[in-house]
Amino acid sequence: DTGVSQDPRHKITKRGQNVTFRCDPISEHNRLYWYRQTLGQGPEFLTYFQNEAQLEKSRLLSDRFSAERPKGSFSTLEIQRTEQGDSAMYLCASIGGTANEKLFFGSGTQLSVL
Amino acid sequence: DAKTTQPPSMDCAEGRAANLPCNHSTISGNEYVYWYRQIHSQGPQYIIHGLKNNETNEMASLIITEDRKSSTLILPHATLRDTAVYYCIVRIPEGYQKVTFGTGTKLQVIP
Repeated sequence: DTGVSQDPRHKITKRGQNVTFRCDPISEHNRLYWYRQTLGQGPEFLTYFQNEAQLEKSRLLSDRFSAERPKGSFSTLEIQRTEQGDSAMYLCASIGGTANEKLFFGSGTQLSVL
Repeated sequence: DAKTTQPPSMDCAEGRAANLPCNHSTISGNEYVYWYRQIHSQGPQYIIHGLKNNETNEMASLIITEDRKSSTLILPHATLRDTAVYYCIVRIPEGYQKVTFGTGTKLQVIP
């Protein structure tokens, strides 16, 4: 168990640019979640995959956001035409295998849009 | 999923028990109570969960009232490393899709 890894840890971009984040879940976990967290708030659900299928999306996920999980392994979250309001921590979590009650979170990607 | 209410902050002396309350008065019969904590600059970490009965593991104890409308997380001997934001959530068995983490309780352990 190497844990959930996210890349990059920090991303600074200019408004209007596109950014992509990567999440590598724990290998035997079939479910993967993306969350967004702003300062002083708890994580907010964005989207959820079971294997390669994206089963649910929050209304927070505008059409500038897209997530994929090809082959049910790693996942990417892309934000197009970034806005200053997109500045946040983006967290990935996975669940499954024998420990199927608890989410394992990565350390997140901190996005700053200037 | 039901919403939870937690005090925004609490202090606890090092070595003493930390008792963190959570109100979940609208919890449904099949919803579990979970606790996670988040140390600065890290993702949340699972602590413990329960349905009806009290639970204990190597990290903490969870006391759920008989009517299931509230619960208390107990850290028996708080250390400085327990300083974190603690989230109480409720979730259906099927998953975390509709979970609301809220703002949690900021626990400060004081030397």
